[in-house]
Amino acid sequence: EIVMTQSPATLSVSPGERATLSCRASQSVSSNLAWYQHKPGQAPRLLMNGASTRATGIPARFSGSGSGTEFTLTISSLQSEDFAVYYCQQYNDWPTFGQGTKVEIK
Amino acid sequence: QVQLQESGPGLVKPSQTLSLTCTVSGGSVSSGDYYWSWIRQHPGKGLEWIGYIYYSGSTYYNPSLKTRFTMSVDTSKNQFSLKLSSVTAADTAVYFCARMLSPYYFDYWGQGTLLTVSS
Repeated sequence: EIVMTQSPATLSVSPGERATLSCRASQSVSSNLAWYQHKPGQAPRLLMNGASTRATGIPARFSGSGSGTEFTLTISSLQSEDFAVYYCQQYNDWPTFGQGTKVEIK
Repeated sequence: QVQLQESGPGLVKPSQTLSLTCTVSGGSVSSGDYYWSWIRQHPGKGLEWIGYIYYSGSTYYNPSLKTRFTMSVDTSKNQFSLKLSSVTAADTAVYFCARMLSPYYFDYWGQGTLLTVSS
């Protein structure tokens, strides 16, 4: 099983600031990585696949980078609707998820 | 717009069999382009993929989970289902259904349904 580790567990950011979220895989997953946004009581939302390809309708302030074992999701200027939990997921093997990073208002 | 909606009993007793259903709208479970998955989230924990079913009925389950799960698909109702036998308190979780693309990531999810196992 490929273990995904996200850091930090919680990120406190002010609106308008940049947020940088990290995701590490226990072995190489190439670029087979997706990011999701999840708000309480809502369906998780696909943000990114292929490590850096934004899903349909995702704003350009979201960007993804990395390959192999190290990945980053960057939100360039946080909007109020971006405060949520973010998960990474590898699909190089059967799917496994990170534990999530909660982005909260500072 | 594709929408998925989970339904289930909410509360089941230990040792019982759980049944959950996912109803798909705005899309078809008969499409050969997608796989239909179940994912769960234990309280305070991350997400755990359970497995998928294809419109043909073929299935694949998470190898790390014990084989208590059974998935089925009903194309006439545009639904797919999950059964979990011999439930214990460790099965208490929010269960999500999702549409899975090949390769295996998820483009549409349901809101999730909380299952509590308690006597």
